[in-house]
Amino acid sequence: TQLLEQSPQFLSIQEGENLTVYCNSSSVFSSLQWYRQEPGEGPVLLVTVVTGGEVKKLKRLTFQFGDARKDSSLHITAAQPGDTGLYLCAGWGYQKVTFGTGTKLQVIP
Amino acid sequence: DTGVSQDPRHKITKRGQNVTFRCDPISEHNRLYWYRQTLGQGPEFLTYFQNEAQLEKSRLLSDRFSAERPKGSFSTLEIQRTEQGDSAMYLCASSLLRGSNTEAFFGQGTRLTVV
Repeated sequence: TQLLEQSPQFLSIQEGENLTVYCNSSSVFSSLQWYRQEPGEGPVLLVTVVTGGEVKKLKRLTFQFGDARKDSSLHITAAQPGDTGLYLCAGWGYQKVTFGTGTKLQVIP
Repeated sequence: DTGVSQDPRHKITKRGQNVTFRCDPISEHNRLYWYRQTLGQGPEFLTYFQNEAQLEKSRLLSDRFSAERPKGSFSTLEIQRTEQGDSAMYLCASSLLRGSNTEAFFGQGTRLTVV
């Protein structure tokens, strides 16, 4: 069973602060995705990383895939209240997506 | 592109009743997945189809659960004799099998409440 652990589980920060969310596994993934989910809605795909060491930027969000393709991080610069939500990492392996445990982010105005 | 759509968005049912959910994937996607998510947790894999073939079922999918994708397009997930523990968000996703790298896109989910 492939497991993805995210840390921290909960994060409450003030608007304008920076934060990093980590996603770790003992398994190698062919690709890894980050999703953001708001209450009562389905997860929305933010980014896919494929190559070990890859870094992708999406406005204030920076995603990195570990060199060994076992871990990833999401860094948010100058967080805004609109960033509030559940952030999920998800790895592709064995023909399906396995989700991490999730990080619930609250950005206080 | 209308994305993945799920119906209904919300369902309240009495314990012991049967319920059926529908998922319409993105039209050219050949893979379809069902996940279940409880409050504050990440989605848990239930089952997936490639075209009309159901290729894998999780141990979470008890005998009361059945999923079909008869023509390789839309899929249904039926829960028989619902229990309160079945209350959750049921998510459907689809993807296009293309080499080793692909992306799954999710519907908005069906929120089931068993009372």
